[in-house]
Amino acid sequence: NAGVMQNPRHLVRRRGQEARLRCSPMKGHSHVYWYRQLPEEGLKFMVYLQKENIIDESGMPKERFSAEFPKEGPSILRIQQVVRGDSAAYFCASSPGLADYEQYFGPGTRLTVT
Amino acid sequence: DAKTTQPPSMDCAEGRAANLPCNHSTISGNEYVYWYRQIHSQGPQYIIHGLKNNETNEMASLIITEDRKSSTLILPHATLRDTAVYYCIVDTDKLIFGTGTRLQVFP
Repeated sequence: NAGVMQNPRHLVRRRGQEARLRCSPMKGHSHVYWYRQLPEEGLKFMVYLQKENIIDESGMPKERFSAEFPKEGPSILRIQQVVRGDSAAYFCASSPGLADYEQYFGPGTRLTVT
Repeated sequence: DAKTTQPPSMDCAEGRAANLPCNHSTISGNEYVYWYRQIHSQGPQYIIHGLKNNETNEMASLIITEDRKSSTLILPHATLRDTAVYYCIVDTDKLIFGTGTRLQVFP
């Protein structure tokens, strides 16, 4: 059973460009979470999605950031008009349910904005 | 904000047990205690979780006090590869990471 997959692993964007980060959850998992880790800091929750629904986006910046988890295909975290402060590692996690279920993390996408 | 308090760092000799404490005095009745670790800059790795009872798996043991206000993660025989930042997390859905404990295992 393949683990959580994220691509690309490294992404370089110039200021003002768009960044698209993809996450394929583990087979059978319908819950997806995105976290961001700034350099030398801890992970911060961004958004929690189930298929076709955003459940909790309390950690998402109000502008430029969006996330989706369509019925078919991977979850996408989209950052429009990137700025240098968006440079970070973005981790995706998946779980089969809530509360009594652990989250499995992907290897992360390291975004560098030049 | 994280609901847990952990010491910022700990050392442990290789082969000895590593006991990592965590305080979560405001935990709610339906909230689980989770432990994850992050080795260098990799994705966090799940270790163990529990609600009320002590738990054990192939990686570690989790001891939760009767009042559930604190817990201890035990790595019974620490190895150099256990050097990592360990996070104790209390929640029901999303994970709120605190600053964790940086465990250094030395030879």
